[in-house]
Amino acid sequence: SQELEQSPQSLIVQEGKNLTINCTSSKTLYGLYWYKQKYGEGLIFLMMLQKGGEEKSHEKITAKLDEKKQQSSLHITASQPSHAGIYLCGADAMYNQGGKLIFGQGTELSVKP
Amino acid sequence: DAMVIQNPRYQVTQFGKPVTLSCSQTLNHNVMYWYQQKSSQAPKLLFHYYDKDFNNEADTPDNFQSRRPNTSFCFLDIRSPGLGDAAMYLCATSLSLAEKEETQYFGPGTRLLVL
Repeated sequence: SQELEQSPQSLIVQEGKNLTINCTSSKTLYGLYWYKQKYGEGLIFLMMLQKGGEEKSHEKITAKLDEKKQQSSLHITASQPSHAGIYLCGADAMYNQGGKLIFGQGTELSVKP
Repeated sequence: DAMVIQNPRYQVTQFGKPVTLSCSQTLNHNVMYWYQQKSSQAPKLLFHYYDKDFNNEADTPDNFQSRRPNTSFCFLDIRSPGLGDAAMYLCATSLSLAEKEETQYFGPGTRLLVL
């Protein structure tokens, strides 16, 4: 079965600093999703990547999917306290069968003012 | 502009007392999902509905059941909650299963406490 591993598990950065979160899959990724979860709340969809080498940005957050489609990175530029939360990567568990997502264990981000 | 709504946000129940969590959506999506997320763990899919077709994950305990009376609503029934069922329960929707890489939209979750 496919597994997703995120690193680091937790991260504390000073406001204004850049940071990167990685998500590595044990199998080829056919759809990679990044979500953000605030404590005690649901998941907020950030971005979806499909193609090898694809890169998407939204405000100060950039996500990339490597050419081999087994790793994705989420990069935050000039972090702010509003970026704090848990970042989860998710992937389609099976090729050509949407619906079942598996998730990484999450990366907890704290941003110190 | 709420899209996926879960009620209640917090639910306290007693050991063994049946409890129902509800989810509604205004997106008119065909697929609805229930995930269980225990503390500091990744969300784990329990089951999903594609329209009225129910799909149970192989390792979902029989203690968990679901109902979808119409497109907008989906319920999670826990017949005899145990202490180990205390978790955040997340409802999600997606437009379809017909194509891969279909984005799922999540509700705010219901945190269940079992006393």
